[in-house]
Amino acid sequence: GESVGLHLPTLSVQEGDNSIINCAYSNSASDYFIWYKQESGKGPQFIIDIRSNMDKRQGQRVTVLLNKTVKHLSLQIAATQPGDSAVYFCAETRDSGTYKYIFGTGTRLKVLA
Amino acid sequence: DAGVTQSPTHLIKTRGQQVTLRCSPKSGHDTVSWYQQALGQGPQFIFQYYEEEERQRGNFPDRFSGHQFPNYSSELNVNALLLGDSALYLCASSLTLSGNTIYFGEGSWLTVV
Repeated sequence: GESVGLHLPTLSVQEGDNSIINCAYSNSASDYFIWYKQESGKGPQFIIDIRSNMDKRQGQRVTVLLNKTVKHLSLQIAATQPGDSAVYFCAETRDSGTYKYIFGTGTRLKVLA
Repeated sequence: DAGVTQSPTHLIKTRGQQVTLRCSPKSGHDTVSWYQQALGQGPQFIFQYYEEEERQRGNFPDRFSGHQFPNYSSELNVNALLLGDSALYLCASSLTLSGNTIYFGEGSWLTVV
């Protein structure tokens, strides 16, 4: 079946350190991947996306890496700040048309002062 | 430029009742998807509407139904509510011809007692 999973349910990092959140996916047909941040009581907020023809994409303080060989996705947050504390979800889908998104359970990121 | 808006934000219903949730997509978007997010879980795809028709559906019973209006807004209806229907219901919108990036609203919290 299709699934998107996360390796760590909770990640605690010191303020100022870099954070790495990992995700595994199983559907080889997926060609579009997205990271969302969800703060308590709010809807998921788009962070960054990557298409399968890329291995790496950078945004402001965030980098997404895609390893299609092992079906692995990661989100790197540089200089983690208290405002980064949230649950992070990866999602997979197909980029043609509007296919459904498949989400994992999520990783909670806690930033320690 | 308004984002995705949902109403109501919170509501409490009794088992067996019916509920209607509403969503206005982001300006310019023509496709609306609905997701159910149980506490501590990732969002699960319910269905998607485009051109006032249900285009695809996830693994949800027929008690879950929806509608899209000519102005692209949408409703989610759930009949014969069960305790297990308690969740955050998320609406997401996208523009079909511009790829598959979806943007979420803040959600409607439904509690069934």
